[in-house]
Amino acid sequence: QSVLTQSPSMSAAPGQKVTISCSGSSSNIGKNYVSWYQQLPGAAPKLLIYENNKRPSGIPDRFSGSWSGTSATLGITGLQTGDEADYYCGTWDSRLRTVLFGGGTKLTVL
Amino acid sequence: EVQLLQSGGGFIQPGGSLRLSCVASGFTFSTYAMTWVRQAPGKGLEWVSDISASSSNSDYADSVVGRFTVSRDNSKSTLYLQMNSLRVEDTAIYYCAKGWRDYPLEYWGQGTLVTVSS
Repeated sequence: QSVLTQSPSMSAAPGQKVTISCSGSSSNIGKNYVSWYQQLPGAAPKLLIYENNKRPSGIPDRFSGSWSGTSATLGITGLQTGDEADYYCGTWDSRLRTVLFGGGTKLTVL
Repeated sequence: EVQLLQSGGGFIQPGGSLRLSCVASGFTFSTYAMTWVRQAPGKGLEWVSDISASSSNSDYADSVVGRFTVSRDNSKSTLYLQMNSLRVEDTAIYYCAKGWRDYPLEYWGQGTLVTVSS
């Protein structure tokens, strides 16, 4: 069981909006930046959001990140079938001295 | 364009050894820390190890400490993961990534599959 908690799965229709949450604690999300990674089927993970809410070059503004206390959220608007993927949150834990990932959320666009 | 090209995976019996490689291009490899992450079949991401830019600092997950060794050759822009005393539970796709610790993992290699089985 992951230290960072994510819902295992979500589904939504094309064009809709979804939010994926990541819950942690004061030693990880409460103290350090959160990143979000997208893993398309059969592919390597890809950085989607860093420092809680910043998008790397080339990531569309349909993807957004937010943070509050010990939780972080990934938002995706205007869902497309190509957004079907596993989404992972990740952060550094200052107490455990390790990188942590959430268990992942499988997003289905149907 | 940043690229991380991995090699070295394969099928190995329990107790065996493998060395993974990750060749970097498109950025100044010698100035960036690097990380290894693995993903067991059908499972989530698990941090394995990381190493600073100068190799002065490295760390390991409890599950691999004493068995895996991370290293790098900055003259060859190459990151390594030496895996000894492999166990069935080490079976996973192994990814190298640019970045570490409280910094985002900006770029990832394509992954290499390690299968440990008798």
